[in-house]
Amino acid sequence: AQSVAQPEDQVNVAEGNPLTVKCTYSVSGNPYLFWYVQYPNRGLQFLLKYITGDNLVKGSYGFEAEFNKSQTSFHLKKPSALVSDSALYFCAVREGARDDKIIFGKGTRLHILP
Amino acid sequence: EAGVVQSPRYKIIEKKQPVAFWCNPISGHNTLYWYLQNLGQGPELLIRYENEEAVDDSQLPKDRFSAERLKGVDSTLKIQPAELGDSAVYLCASSRSQGSYNEQFFGPGTRLTVL
Repeated sequence: AQSVAQPEDQVNVAEGNPLTVKCTYSVSGNPYLFWYVQYPNRGLQFLLKYITGDNLVKGSYGFEAEFNKSQTSFHLKKPSALVSDSALYFCAVREGARDDKIIFGKGTRLHILP
Repeated sequence: EAGVVQSPRYKIIEKKQPVAFWCNPISGHNTLYWYLQNLGQGPELLIRYENEEAVDDSQLPKDRFSAERLKGVDSTLKIQPAELGDSAVYLCASSRSQGSYNEQFFGPGTRLTVL
């Protein structure tokens, strides 16, 4: 069965600095990987996904993520953090083409300090 | 396009009472999901519909939870009777098809408090 781990409950970054939110996964086949963001009192919003192809995926709001098969990781990154990036971030995985169930990590709260 | 609509946004009930949540997905989205999100956790799937068919309800506590999507569009999730442990946010999401590469679009959720 697939699983996903977000090892950090919270990440603090100064505004303007680069940020990384970590995610590792476990699937038996090829992974489909997703990042979602959740702002207070709102539903999750899709940021980006990796299905196949280029390991570096670019998404909304200047975010990108790098798929690393050998390390089974899909870390979310942004070169320069904004205060408005403060939110809860969820990594998710589903086992491509075999099962449509998506598994979400427990989330990482990102605090961007002004 | 309009997003996923859920109502009510907040609901407070006493234990043992029934409660229902409603979801209207994005137009044209055949796949509809209901998730449970506890505080500090990621969403957990309760049930997935492909059109009007429930194709995955393995995580739905069927003794007290039920769901329907009669015409393959909007959906209702019901709890009867509610228990204290049911307090959580109930999220509805939709996607274009059952293709596992499709991202999901989420509604704002219904925050349920059971007293």
